[in-house]
Amino acid sequence: DVVMTQSPLSLPVALGQPASISCRSSQSLVHSDGSTYLIWFQQRPGQSPRRLIYEVSNRDSGVPDRFSGSGSGTDFTLKISRVEAEDVGVYYCMQGTHWPWTFGQGTKVDIK
Amino acid sequence: QVQLVQSGGEVKKPGASVKVSCKASGYTFPNYGISWVRQAPGQGLEWMGWISAYNGNTNYAQKLQGRVTMTKDTSTTTAYMELRSLRSDDTAVYYCARDSSGWYPLLDYWGQGTLVTVSS
Repeated sequence: DVVMTQSPLSLPVALGQPASISCRSSQSLVHSDGSTYLIWFQQRPGQSPRRLIYEVSNRDSGVPDRFSGSGSGTDFTLKISRVEAEDVGVYYCMQGTHWPWTFGQGTKVDIK
Repeated sequence: QVQLVQSGGEVKKPGASVKVSCKASGYTFPNYGISWVRQAPGQGLEWMGWISAYNGNTNYAQKLQGRVTMTKDTSTTTAYMELRSLRSDDTAVYYCARDSSGWYPLLDYWGQGTLVTVSS
């Protein structure tokens, strides 16, 4: 199975400051169809996960533009340009290129 | 609007089975699939498997093979996940999520989750 490794696992950030989460995969996430199926989810406390970013860098409808995704191959990043209070929660990356799909361990973002 | 509404929480004894439902609305059910994801208390997300709502094809996580069965009822636009021979480490919130009907992931809409507690 593809192992997804996130860092850091805990990320205290001051309001208005940037945040960056790394996600590395144990093998390339480039699919034979040419796409890279790397997704980022946000899970606020007590809520279901919410998809933020799909195929590395495509933001979902309604997701603030302070969220951005980047990367390629085995190395990916989720950035929040200016953290707001509503961004508190756990962020997960997930690969959907190789069965079984696998998630990173999650990164807990809270306010410093 | 797309909605996935799951059945209510369950308490089961070790060795029993549980069947969780996921009622879909707001989109053309057979054009997509459903993935099931679980989350043990205080832990991360674990993908369990996928079912095509078109033809019922499934793909299960190997660690659950033999214990899990995913089915769908197109007439009621409902997907089901049955887990057998329950153990204490199956205690988790179980989520359904809309997925593609093919080889690539969507997981763009999620149910509210169903807490399954396994305890003697």
